[in-house]
Amino acid sequence: KNQVEQSPQSLIILEGKNCTLQCNYTVSPFSNLRWYKQDTGRGPVSLTIMTFSENTKSNGRYTATLDADTKQSSLHITASQLSDSASYICVVSVFSGNTPLVFGKGTRLSVIA
Amino acid sequence: DAMVIQNPRYQVTQFGKPVTLSCSQTLNHNVMYWYQQKSSQAPKLLFHYYDKDFNNEADTPDNFQSRRPNTSFCFLDIRSPGLGDAAMYLCATRKSLGDGYEQYFGPGTRLTVT
Repeated sequence: KNQVEQSPQSLIILEGKNCTLQCNYTVSPFSNLRWYKQDTGRGPVSLTIMTFSENTKSNGRYTATLDADTKQSSLHITASQLSDSASYICVVSVFSGNTPLVFGKGTRLSVIA
Repeated sequence: DAMVIQNPRYQVTQFGKPVTLSCSQTLNHNVMYWYQQKSSQAPKLLFHYYDKDFNNEADTPDNFQSRRPNTSFCFLDIRSPGLGDAAMYLCATRKSLGDGYEQYFGPGTRLTVT
């Protein structure tokens, strides 16, 4: 069964600190992996997308890594800001005709002053 | 700016009273999706359109219907909302099916059932 597991479920960090969110997946056949940021009451917004051959991708203070052998990904946030408070969702795309997305449940990040 | 627009942002309906949520897009994308997202859960795909071809997920209740009158608009009709249908409903679009195309999400409609 295609699944995406994220950890931790929730995280509280001080403003300015770094943090790393984890994503493990059992999706086959794998097409690509995305990290989305979802603010409370808003739709998800894409941060990064990585294919099988890519093992790191950066978007400003966000850096995603992918290990396709172990089927793990991480999202590292550097120098966190209060506006980083949101849910971060790992989404894996299945390589099939309509490339359905398999969503993780997300990590709820709270950045406090 | 090209975008995915959902109206209304917040909708309150009574138990059993039909409700329609709308989604429009200026991206001219072929594919449009409707997701249901309950609190602290991952979005759950209800159905999608590829152009006019409708694709229903196997476990989507019959209570949920959809219409896509043209490329730009897609509607979600809930015929007899129950308390369990209270959720965030997300619309998303995609240029085409196939590897690598990004899904763009709208801001969502928060549905409350009283």
